[in-house]
Amino acid sequence: AQTVTQSQPEMSVQEAETVTLSCTYDTSESDYYLFWYKQPPSRQMILVIRQEAYKQQNATENRFSVNFQKAAKSFSLKISDSQLGDAAMYFCAYRFRLNYGGSQGNLIFGKGTKLSVKP
Amino acid sequence: EPEVTQTPSHQVTQMGQEVILRCVPISNHLYFYWYRQILGQKVEFLVSFYNNEISEKSEIFDDQFSVERPDGSNFTLKIRSTKLEDSAMYFCASSRNREAGYTFGSGTRLTVV
Repeated sequence: AQTVTQSQPEMSVQEAETVTLSCTYDTSESDYYLFWYKQPPSRQMILVIRQEAYKQQNATENRFSVNFQKAAKSFSLKISDSQLGDAAMYFCAYRFRLNYGGSQGNLIFGKGTKLSVKP
Repeated sequence: EPEVTQTPSHQVTQMGQEVILRCVPISNHLYFYWYRQILGQKVEFLVSFYNNEISEKSEIFDDQFSVERPDGSNFTLKIRSTKLEDSAMYFCASSRNREAGYTFGSGTRLTVV
């Protein structure tokens, strides 16, 4: 079974600095998606960034970028120039791409990392 | 930008009562999902729905749960006889196809007392 592990329950960063959140996953599949979701205090789940496993190039969205290491099954999120509004829970998630075993490819989430941003 | 809308945002119910959580997915999306998040825990998959039928469900989604798309726009989750442990945040999500990412709603916080 696929699993997603976020080993950092909490992280803290100074405003304008850079922080990296870690995520590892376990799968026997070769084709899948990886995501980072942000959950602010409002509890809404907001997609931050997405990576297709078949793409070697790391995804980037403005101040957010990932370091995708497929062989190591690692998918870290880097937030540059951190802002106060970045404070939230961040969830790493995995979804296999093909219709494996009849599944629609549901998201499997890690336990999350709570990011605090200090002014 | 299109949104997934969930109502109510917060519902308090007595143990043993039935609740219906409502969701309006994005209009051109074809795949619908319910996830839940017990406070302080990870987000867990409940059920996926496509072509007017359940396509997959988790072990959590037992006989007390049901889903319905009654009118082509709403997507509901019914819990027949709520238990204290059903207290959680329930998220609806939709996607255009299996390849696309999900769009989540803002969630319904269900409190069972």
